[in-house]
Amino acid sequence: QQQVKQSPQSLIVQKGGISIINCAYENTAFDYFPWYQQFPGKGPALLIAIRPDVSEKKEGRFTISFNKSAKQFSLHIMDSQPGDSATYFCAATRLLTGANNLFFGTGTRLTVIP
Amino acid sequence: EAGVAQSPRYKIIEKRQSVAFWCNPISGHATLYWYQQILGQGPKLLIQFQNNGVVDDSQLPKDRFSAERLKGVDSTLKIQPAKLEDSAVYLCASSLLGLSGRKYNEQFFGPGTRLTVL
Repeated sequence: QQQVKQSPQSLIVQKGGISIINCAYENTAFDYFPWYQQFPGKGPALLIAIRPDVSEKKEGRFTISFNKSAKQFSLHIMDSQPGDSATYFCAATRLLTGANNLFFGTGTRLTVIP
Repeated sequence: EAGVAQSPRYKIIEKRQSVAFWCNPISGHATLYWYQQILGQGPKLLIQFQNNGVVDDSQLPKDRFSAERLKGVDSTLKIQPAKLEDSAVYLCASSLLGLSGRKYNEQFFGPGTRLTVL
């Protein structure tokens, strides 16, 4: 059972365009939502994260939008660059349980064309 | 600061053989995680250690998979016997603390071991 659903599976964007990746979850116990970026041959690395008590978080060109009532969140990459070409995973965890373990989406392979 | 180290990076075995993976976490990190990442999917947690104790192994196929972290530092993950469906990348991650209430302790991932079972 996939606890976090992610779409699209792949995405091709022109340089300078906006990349949008969407995720949805069912478990209302999730209370922290990180995004991870993975380059080929590397492990995932934390990119940006959000708590459900805010609707948006921005760090540089990366923005998370969060809709608690719809149980959906999305990653927006503004002014996409070829160096952003990677696989992006949304994830969720339950901080209140103290476990800190992550439930990942299925990933989105982003390709930014120069 | 050195990252999470894993070895080997690649392993090819026949089905029914056994295999072991090694992980050295970031120095001082109390919590260690093993994830399985099947091609085209996100990582799935297999087991989580806090120091040398198991916190969560609910997703570990215990009939064939085992893991240990004897001195609370390095860890090994073993598969015996391997099946075709075990082909995946096995990721090790570590965090400063795993059980800390409302604070997220960032998990740092190693490069993974790519296992191919023929």
